[in-house]
Amino acid sequence: DADVTQTPRNRITKTGKRIMLECSQTKGHDRMYWYRQDPGLGLRLIYYSFDVKDINKGEISDGYSVSRQAQAKFSLSLESAIPNQTALYFCATSDRTGNEQYFGPGTRLTVT
Amino acid sequence: AQKITQTQPGMFVQEKEAVTLDCTYDTSDPSYGLFWYKQPSSGEMIFLIYQGSYDQQNATEGRYSLNFQKARKSANLVISASQLGDSAMYFCAMRERSGFGGSQGNLIFGKGTKLSVKP
Repeated sequence: DADVTQTPRNRITKTGKRIMLECSQTKGHDRMYWYRQDPGLGLRLIYYSFDVKDINKGEISDGYSVSRQAQAKFSLSLESAIPNQTALYFCATSDRTGNEQYFGPGTRLTVT
Repeated sequence: AQKITQTQPGMFVQEKEAVTLDCTYDTSDPSYGLFWYKQPSSGEMIFLIYQGSYDQQNATEGRYSLNFQKARKSANLVISASQLGDSAMYFCAMRERSGFGGSQGNLIFGKGTKLSVKP
């Protein structure tokens, strides 16, 4: 089984809809991250969490919110989706040193 | 200023030849880590190799090696004996230590290099 799973893998939604992307991990890591990838760009950090009670904004958090339901689960929400949020979204985990980084398979989100 | 710079948007290499993908980084932290990831057209991020800033030797993983030149702040990826399956996007990334002494842990990515392997 994969160490980091994301659901859904693909999603098409309409402008203004609320959508949630879910991430689960079996690594036992405290640290979890959400990144976004746009064409021609590397990944950019949206939010990160060091544990259930510690959530922090990343570089591009506007328009997004997150929830850390448990050590193993970290969800990303788009409260009112807009077309420029069309992107590939990755969840990741790391150990406390940051030297081990595990990525989920990604979620392709299209907002029409 | 960009923290990770990959100056080659695209590269071509002949099958079975070696290729070097460039990466320079910018940080004032003494402790950091450098990563290379491969992203095939299917989209997943595949970890290739890691180099810690205090590691004395260059990292190697099978056909991948990292040419780490600390003074020049470069961390080039060398792929030996290229295969058709190596055609993909390659990303260099850095993990910095946070200002509070611990590691924030997230990665800062470059814009990537698209490698195409020719038969």
